[in-house]
Order: sequence, then structure tokens, then C-alpha cells
Amino acid sequence: SYELTQPPSVSVSPGQTASITCSGDKLGNKYTCWYQQKVGQSPVLVIYKDNKRPSGIPERFSGSNSGNTATLTISGTQAMDEADYYCQAWDSNTVIFGGGTKLTVL
Amino acid sequence: QITLKESGPTLVKPTQTLTLTCTFSGFSLSTSGVGVGWIRQPPGKALEWLGIIYWNDDTRYSPSLKSRLTITKDTSTNQVVLTMTSMDPVDTATYYCAQGIRGSTPYFDPWGQGTLVTVSS
Repeated sequence: SYELTQPPSVSVSPGQTASITCSGDKLGNKYTCWYQQKVGQSPVLVIYKDNKRPSGIPERFSGSNSGNTATLTISGTQAMDEADYYCQAWDSNTVIFGGGTKLTVL
Repeated sequence: QITLKESGPTLVKPTQTLTLTCTFSGFSLSTSGVGVGWIRQPPGKALEWLGIIYWNDDTRYSPSLKSRLTITKDTSTNQVVLTMTSMDPVDTATYYCAQGIRGSTPYFDPWGQGTLVTVSS
């Protein structure tokens, strides 16, 4: 079965750029989306179709996808961006989620 | 404004059947390309997709849970129902419903608040 692999944790200083990766076999051939989940809250879609931002999502969130890796990039990271982030793709009629990455802003 | 809300029992016994209802507003499940998905999250763990039902009744399930799941919709009442049989303590999780947008990769936006279901005798 298809798997998406994310690093368990990423740390970033306020104002710096955070990059969270999501790896899967030929992932670049599929669209990937990303969700943000803050503690005690429901997930929120922050990127869809690799690099599209839903309305209301700040411009500092961007995405890319090529080869075997999709990347969520947060530019000028703020304390409010501290959260778990999940990538998601579709393979063989199945929605696949990555294992999640805890972003710490310190 | 699109909203979704899950409802159902908070506690079920092992071997019982779980029935959850997702009541939504702000969109129609008669609209082409629209669906409602179910996703769960065990405490402290990652998201796990359960299934999705689309406007045209096309329904897809997680292969690992397919034998235990049924998803149905009632367009007239704006509700989607998830049924999961043979519940086990490992099924303890927060269960979410979300609007699904069909495409080469479907995505979910927005999500309901989630409902915690505990499986215990």
C-alpha cells in the first residue's frame, strides 16, 4: 500500500522559514494537500493541489511537489503557526495521510 | 458559510456497532464534485481516512476497514451517516466529517469539530 512519510518534528525560529517534507513513491505525479492542526482543534486545509491556498490562508504558506517529495513552506514563521501538519494524497482510490509533523516555533 | 457537525454516542462497548451522523449546512450533496468524508484520529496519533460519499452516490472506503464500514447520505436532510461494525478498543478516536472536493486528489475543507468515541466495556 502507498505510504507518505513525514519527519516527526521540525523546529524553526520566529521569522525564519520552515520547510516540512512529505515523501512517497512518484509523489510528484499526484496532487498533494496539507492540513494544519493546532492543539485541541480540527484540521484546517492550508494547501491543495500542491500549491493552491484556500481563501483566508496567509500568503506565507506555500507548497511544491516534485519527484518523490512534496514540501510545505512557511515563510516568516509566526508563533501562531505552531501546530501539527499533515500531508495527504490519493492512490488506488484511497486517501492517504502522512504521519504528521509537529512544528515547534522557538 | 459551510459547517459540519458530528453526533452520536461517546461510549460504545466492544463488538457493538457505531453509528455517527454528520449534519451539514452551507452546501448541497446534490452538487457535482461534492462529497462528505470521514476521518478519525486516535488520541495522540495521526489522521486516518475512513471513507467518502459523493453527490452521485459513488462511495469509497479505506481498504483496511472496508468490511466494517457503511456510509450513506440523505440529501433532503443534509446528513451523512457512518456505520462501523465490530467496534474494538483500538477504534477509540475522535471521528471527523468534512466536506470533500472531488478531483485527481480529493481534499477536505472544512472539517467538523469532531466527536470523541471511546470503546470500552
